[in-house]
Parts: sequence; C-alpha cells; structure tokens
Amino acid sequence: GAVVSQHPSWVICKSGTSVKIECRSLDFQATTMFWYRQFPKQSLMLMATSNEGSKATYEQGVEKDKFLINHASLTLSTLTVTSAHPEDSSFYICSARAGDTQYFGPGTRLTVL
Amino acid sequence: AQTVTQSQPEMSVQEAETVTLSCTYDTSESDYYLFWYKQPPSRQMILVIRQEAYKQQNATENRFSVNFQKAAKSFSLKISDSQLGDAAMYFCAYRSALMGRDDKIIFGKGTRLHILP
Repeated sequence: GAVVSQHPSWVICKSGTSVKIECRSLDFQATTMFWYRQFPKQSLMLMATSNEGSKATYEQGVEKDKFLINHASLTLSTLTVTSAHPEDSSFYICSARAGDTQYFGPGTRLTVL
Repeated sequence: AQTVTQSQPEMSVQEAETVTLSCTYDTSESDYYLFWYKQPPSRQMILVIRQEAYKQQNATENRFSVNFQKAAKSFSLKISDSQLGDAAMYFCAYRSALMGRDDKIIFGKGTRLHILP
C-alpha cells in the first residue's frame, strides 16, 4: 500500500515553454501533498505544500507564479513549471501523507534546453 | 526551528558487516516522528524505518534498527549484514507530531553509503 506515482518520469522542453508534472496517490487519499526539488548530490528541498481544495503554501524563496500547484482531487496534485528556463532543470519529487508517514513518488527529471 | 544533522557525508562498509549511520536533531517539541529514508541510484525515496518520539522502544525492521536517544537528540541507524543493495544515500528526517503544526518533513543532508564486495 501507500504508492505514489509521478508522470512523466523524464521530460525535456524548450526554454520558455511550460511543463506539467502529475503526482498521484494510487491506493489512498491524500489531503496534503508535497513538492520537492533535488539538485545532484544534495538533499530534498521543499518547494510547497499542496492542499486539496485550497491554495498551496510555498516555501520562502519559491516563486508561486512560476511553479503553479493545483490539488484538484484527493489523489492528484500537479506542478506546472511556467516559462521554463535552463536553471529550472532539476529533479522534482512529490510526496503524499498516509497516516503519520510521507510516501514519495519516483521523481521527474526535467531538462530545459 | 527544527534541524537535522548528518555529520557523515559518506561511509563505506564491507558486505555482510554492520554499519551505523549517525543523525542528531534539534527541537523544542516533545512529540515528533523520526525517519530514515533510503534513496538508491534510481532516486526513488524509500522509507526504511520510523520512530515515534513517545515510544522508548527502538524501532526495528529486519536488518535495520535504530538507536533512539531522546535526551541526547540522537537517532542513529544500524544496518546489519550489509548487502550490495543497501548502497544508497540515506536521509534522516524529522516531522512534528503536534496538532496544528506543519506536516513538513525536515531532512538532513544525507549520508552516502558504499558497500564493498
């Protein structure tokens, strides 16, 4: 149980375009999901907390107009990177809470050319 | 603010041997959860073990066990009979258990574990 999926696993896009990443809780409902960014050989950096039916809560320094988060249902949260630039290239990971534990998706590698 | 410190950026252990990864944390809260997550080369974060602060008994999951010292704010992970598949980055993490507090997990910087055949 407690499986979280992400789609796509890898995406390449041109600079200036937008990219949407989906995060799904497959066998449980999640009122809260989380979006992280991870640079090579570094720890996970929390970007925002996604709350079902309400606005996301962004961490300090994260541009909410650039990283749009939508949590439209209890099993789906999306992260849209708008007007992507090469510096947005990174590994993005989502997680969802089931009980007292967070379970993580497999991550999405974003490369912006 | 809570912090999690992993002072060992890298460690190596011979296959079949035992290794201990260190973690210390700082908090003023009395109720919280501690976790160890494993991130293998696939980069999928996998929960290894979790500990509830109000439980004195150390958590154990097969070859993985923790030494939870609440007064010292220490939470080390012991891996027994190390296997090649244990090679990964290991993250120690903290989450408040207090009602109304953030669900956010605070991660340490990680310890990369190498298994020597």
